[in-house]
Amino acid sequence: DAGVTQSPTHLIKTRGQQVTLRCSPKSGHDTVSWYQQALGQGPQFIFQYYEEEERQRGNFPDRFSGHQFPNYSSELNVNALLLGDSALYLCASSLASTLGWNEQFFGPGTRLTVL
Amino acid sequence: DQQVKQNSPSLSVQEGRISILNCDYTNSMFDYFLWYKKYPAEGPTFLISISSIKDKNEDGRFTVFLNKSAKHLSLHIVPSQPGDSAVYFCAASGENSGYALNFGKGTSLLVTP
Repeated sequence: DAGVTQSPTHLIKTRGQQVTLRCSPKSGHDTVSWYQQALGQGPQFIFQYYEEEERQRGNFPDRFSGHQFPNYSSELNVNALLLGDSALYLCASSLASTLGWNEQFFGPGTRLTVL
Repeated sequence: DQQVKQNSPSLSVQEGRISILNCDYTNSMFDYFLWYKKYPAEGPTFLISISSIKDKNEDGRFTVFLNKSAKHLSLHIVPSQPGDSAVYFCAASGENSGYALNFGKGTSLLVTP
């Protein structure tokens, strides 16, 4: 049973570029959340996708956008990269019917470095 | 503003002793709390959770205590093992935060032999 997978593992971009990060949820899960973890901080909620729509969004600018596909996998896109976007980006999956308990399972993350 | 606070960045405990990790929150609407453990180069791993209708939840060596009036929870690990060395994150969610988990900054636990 595969857990949450993310690609790529590491990524280096320059300011102003655009980046796409990918996530496949744990088998049986239908909901994907994205978090940004800066160095020395806890993960910060970016947004959550369910039924191919953004269901909730955290305090992140519109440069951050996402998508969920019919197979429940998801992409996170960041446009016009800033140095401050350098962070570990975590994808978490869960099952909507258990969302009240909010047990989200995390992938290993994508380390994004913006130069 | 940080709604979930872990005020101890690090903790060192001897093997076999009890580890106590603390977490405070400010949002009284939070009603579900979780602890995650994170090793380097891995994503956070779910450890244990507690609903606000309870004040204690146990799972093997791990026990979480919730004091709603103080807006405080703690994770007890007994006995501590070297493999428990990791960063521990406290997270909370509730009706007004929707589906988002609100995390603390983490506490780095080192269990020495």
